[in-house]
Amino acid sequence: KAGVTQTPRYLIKTRGQQVTLSCSPISGHRSVSWYQQTPGQGLQFLFEYFSETQRNKGNFPGRFSGRQFSNSRSEMNVSTLELGDSALYLCASSLASGDYNEQFFGPGTRLTVL
Amino acid sequence: KNQVEQSPQSLIILEGKNCTLQCNYTVSPFSNLRWYKQDTGRGPVSLTIMTFSENTKSNGRYTATLDADTKQSSLHITASQLSDSASYICVVVENTGFQKLVFGTGTRLLVSP
Repeated sequence: KAGVTQTPRYLIKTRGQQVTLSCSPISGHRSVSWYQQTPGQGLQFLFEYFSETQRNKGNFPGRFSGRQFSNSRSEMNVSTLELGDSALYLCASSLASGDYNEQFFGPGTRLTVL
Repeated sequence: KNQVEQSPQSLIILEGKNCTLQCNYTVSPFSNLRWYKQDTGRGPVSLTIMTFSENTKSNGRYTATLDADTKQSSLHITASQLSDSASYICVVVENTGFQKLVFGTGTRLLVSP
């Protein structure tokens, strides 16, 4: 079974631009969560989608948004990029939402904002 | 505030030696605790998941323990290998019905030949 895939793997943008990251979950998984990882803050939760609905959201500004499609694939969008948005963005999928569902992480998208 | 603290921040050991990583948490209500291994530039990979009633869980050379009373967990690595060089992240899941994960900042392990 193929793992979680994320595209693109690397991205360079300039301040003020917007970016869209994509995540394809493991086949059959319906929950997709997004995380931001930086050296200073570690891993921080952005949001979780399940059956095309946002179930949970972390403490990030409205510039960060996401959506999930009927095939469970998910996209994350960041508008008006800031230098501090430079990070590794990780997506994780699980069979369902809920405490005990194991999450499987993708390789991440490395975003650099210049 | 729900927090997960890990120690040490970084560790260097010789190949073949054992080591133990620590995790203390204040997350409540508690659902389960997970240890992940993350290689540089890659996504985390799950090592163990432990619920409230589990004290010990092993995955090959990795053994995790959990003391829910003192809110402490440890990850013991036996007979370390060069490929064990990575960051090890302790994650506590809140009992909310959602995927509410609280991450530690990780322990960076370097296994030296």
